[in-house]
Amino acid sequence: DVVMTQSPLSLPVTLGQPASISCRSSQSLVHSDGNTYLNWYQQRPGQSPRRLIYKVSNRDSGVPDRFSGSGSGTDFTLRISRVEAEDVTIYYCMQGTHWPYTFGQGTKLEIK
Amino acid sequence: EVQLVESGGGLVQPGGSLRLSCAASGFTFSNFWMTWVRQAPGQGLECVANIKPDGSEEFYVDSVKGRFTISRDNAKNSLYLQLNSLRAEDTAVYYCARGWVTDWGQGTLVTVSS
Repeated sequence: DVVMTQSPLSLPVTLGQPASISCRSSQSLVHSDGNTYLNWYQQRPGQSPRRLIYKVSNRDSGVPDRFSGSGSGTDFTLRISRVEAEDVTIYYCMQGTHWPYTFGQGTKLEIK
Repeated sequence: EVQLVESGGGLVQPGGSLRLSCAASGFTFSNFWMTWVRQAPGQGLECVANIKPDGSEEFYVDSVKGRFTISRDNAKNSLYLQLNSLRAEDTAVYYCARGWVTDWGQGTLVTVSS
């Protein structure tokens, strides 16, 4: 199975400042169809995960533009340009290229 | 609006069985792959099974192969997960998800305990 490794697992943040989460995969996420199926999710306590970013860098409808995704191959990043209070929760990356789809361990944003 | 509503969770003894259901609405169910994802209490996320739009192929994570069966009824816009030979480590919230895990239901809790 493809192992997804997120870092850091805990990220102290200052409101209004940028934040960045790394996600690395144990093998390339480039699919035979040419797409790279790397998603980012946000999960608030007691809620289902919500997809923020799909195929590396595409924001889902309704996702604020302070969220952005980048990367290629095995190395990916989620950036928040200016952290707001509602962003302080857990984030997961997920690869959907190889079955079983696998998630990173999760990164918990916390107020510094 | 896409809606996915899971049901069927509960408390079951080790070795027991449950059948989870997911009622889908707001999209053309028969056009989409569907996936079951689980999350153990306080833990991360794991995709356990998925199924092609026409139901002709199913895929499972190794830890549930031979014990869980995913199925669908496109006429009823419904997805199912049959859980057999349940173990304590299967305790989790089970979510159904559309497509490449785009949209999620609210989840249903399965607790395996004596």
